[in-house]
Amino acid sequence: GAVVSQHPSWVICKSGTSVKIECRSLDFQATTMFWYRQFPKQSLMLMATSNEGSKATYEQGVEKDKFLINHASLTLSTLTVTSAHPEDSSFYICSAHSGGTDTQYFGPGTRLTVL
Amino acid sequence: GQNIDQPTEMTATEGAIVQINCTYQTSGFNGLFWYQQHAGEAPTFLSYNVLDGLEEKGRFSSFLSRSKGYSYLLLKELQMKDSASYLCAAITNAGKSTFGDGTTLTVKP
Repeated sequence: GAVVSQHPSWVICKSGTSVKIECRSLDFQATTMFWYRQFPKQSLMLMATSNEGSKATYEQGVEKDKFLINHASLTLSTLTVTSAHPEDSSFYICSAHSGGTDTQYFGPGTRLTVL
Repeated sequence: GQNIDQPTEMTATEGAIVQINCTYQTSGFNGLFWYQQHAGEAPTFLSYNVLDGLEEKGRFSSFLSRSKGYSYLLLKELQMKDSASYLCAAITNAGKSTFGDGTTLTVKP
């Protein structure tokens, strides 16, 4: 099946710093990627839809100036958490659609801990 | 709007069969996914139903009734490694997925 990677797999940072998370589709081109956040013992919450070559679409309640998304190519989307705070500590997961299907393939996730 | 409901927890015995139900109310509904998620890991794809009926894939089967807004995931011959959270997710025509809160399945010996 299609493979999606994320980097880094985990990161610990100080409050106030910015963290960039990369999501790559390794063996297919993804015009659309999705970014989710998952707090402990909760389900995935869609943060934004990332479209190659255009601005991301953010879900209600997600600050676009805090969570910067760039989809620079058909295989790469990045999420930057700016001025991170402890409440941003979460599991961030991206997913991508393989062309021509509705199936989403998830990356392995990035665990962010903000001290 | 979007609303997905599934039981919070279920327990079953190794070797048995368990059915995890999911009901949804989704505008622009296109299909329904089931995912398995082990603690600390990303979800992995199990099944995708677009048409009514049952789709079987090895020990796992998934059923969809579009008219009833209902789906279930059936797990046969349960193994200890099947202990995980099972997420149902409805996808709309616009390609947006909404996830249920997940059902934590515990398989006991």
